[in-house]
Amino acid sequence: QKEVEQNSGPLSVPEGAIASLNCTYSDRVSQSFFWYRQYSGKSPELIMSIYSNGDKEDGRFTAQLNKASQYVSLLIRDSQPSDSATYLCAVRGRAGKSTFGDGTTLTVKP
Amino acid sequence: DAGVIQSPRHEVTEMGQEVTLRCKPISGHDYLFWYRQTMMRGLELLIYFNNNVPIDDSGMPEDRFSAKMPNASFSTLKIQPSEPRDSAVYFCASSLGGINTEAFFGQGTRLTVV
Repeated sequence: QKEVEQNSGPLSVPEGAIASLNCTYSDRVSQSFFWYRQYSGKSPELIMSIYSNGDKEDGRFTAQLNKASQYVSLLIRDSQPSDSATYLCAVRGRAGKSTFGDGTTLTVKP
Repeated sequence: DAGVIQSPRHEVTEMGQEVTLRCKPISGHDYLFWYRQTMMRGLELLIYFNNNVPIDDSGMPEDRFSAKMPNASFSTLKIQPSEPRDSAVYFCASSLGGINTEAFFGQGTRLTVV
């Protein structure tokens, strides 16, 4: 089992729709969780971080964390073509180790 | 700060040659990570350092790979001898100490072994 798993893509949504991205992790003692966005040919960049159970909103983005279920999600409201990218879930756990999922590629169609 | 700086940006080498990738982390960051990204395997953690000390190198694929961090501002990832299956984008990232801190990535080195 991979340490961080993301729902297989690719994911395609129409412009203005809600995109939902999911991630599960195996290490129960993981403490911090991040969503990165990676455009083709570029390096990953942070878009959201979450540390406590519940929801965290930042503009059109909402991250949700459920530690009991070892589950993290990212919702993108009012999706725009510029949101088309690969989204990477990252988990930071023991001794500062930072592990990424394989990513989900999102395409927002105009 | 200029961010995490990696060099070279692109490297093409012949099979069997030694390859050295370089990374300068953000000043003041305690952690340094080396990742490899391919279509097949995604973004894999190879090794990471805390205060210049290697903490976990379980992701290093083979003895052909080695990494060093001689001081807080410089790290290298060496592949000797290189093979075509090593072709990938190699990212270096750094972060502050503390669990609730994100990693900042360099621009990556695209390695092609022919």
